[in-house]
Amino acid sequence: TQLLEQSPQFLSIQEGENLTVYCNSSSVFSSLQWYRQEPGEGPVLLVTVVTGGEVKKLKRLTFQFGDARKDSSLHITAAQPGDTGLYLCAGLFSGTYKYIFGTGTRLKVLA
Amino acid sequence: DAGVTQSPTHLIKTRGQQVTLRCSPKSGHDTVSWYQQALGQGPQFIFQYYEEEERQRGNFPDRFSGHQFPNYSSELNVNALLLGDSALYLCASSYSPRDTEAFFGQGTRLTVV
Repeated sequence: TQLLEQSPQFLSIQEGENLTVYCNSSSVFSSLQWYRQEPGEGPVLLVTVVTGGEVKKLKRLTFQFGDARKDSSLHITAAQPGDTGLYLCAGLFSGTYKYIFGTGTRLKVLA
Repeated sequence: DAGVTQSPTHLIKTRGQQVTLRCSPKSGHDTVSWYQQALGQGPQFIFQYYEEEERQRGNFPDRFSGHQFPNYSSELNVNALLLGDSALYLCASSYSPRDTEAFFGQGTRLTVV
């Protein structure tokens, strides 16, 4: 069974702090995506990473794909209340065309 | 561009009933996938439709079925509803089954009582 584990599950921090969210699997991904989801809404795609070791930046968000393509991280610098939400990673495993989602990290940034 | 649209947004059904949820993909997209997201969980893949056929399926019983129309829109049908079917049902569309980027609708919140 292909599983994605995200950590931490919950995170509550003060505005201005930095944080890192992790997404891990024992299997190799052909690609991986990060989404943010707000209550009552569908997930919104933030980034797709495909190449091992790849780093992508989206304003204060930095996404890294592990060299072996089994893990990924999302780092947020100087978090703001608008960053509050559920962060989901979703992996596409070689030989399949369906994304497997992690359980998510629920982030709350306090003003 | 309207993006992915789903209807209805909310629905309440009684145990044992049947429900149909609808999805219109983003303009230019021909592949539609359906996901179930229980409260506090990540989305779980139900199935994917391309060229009006079910191409892949997750670990869901046969009570879950779907359809894709020539205009690429899709329906998700659930028969004999159980309380455990209560969830947010998400539709995602992409340019093709091999496309690495999927765009999600806002979901349909189904409550089974």
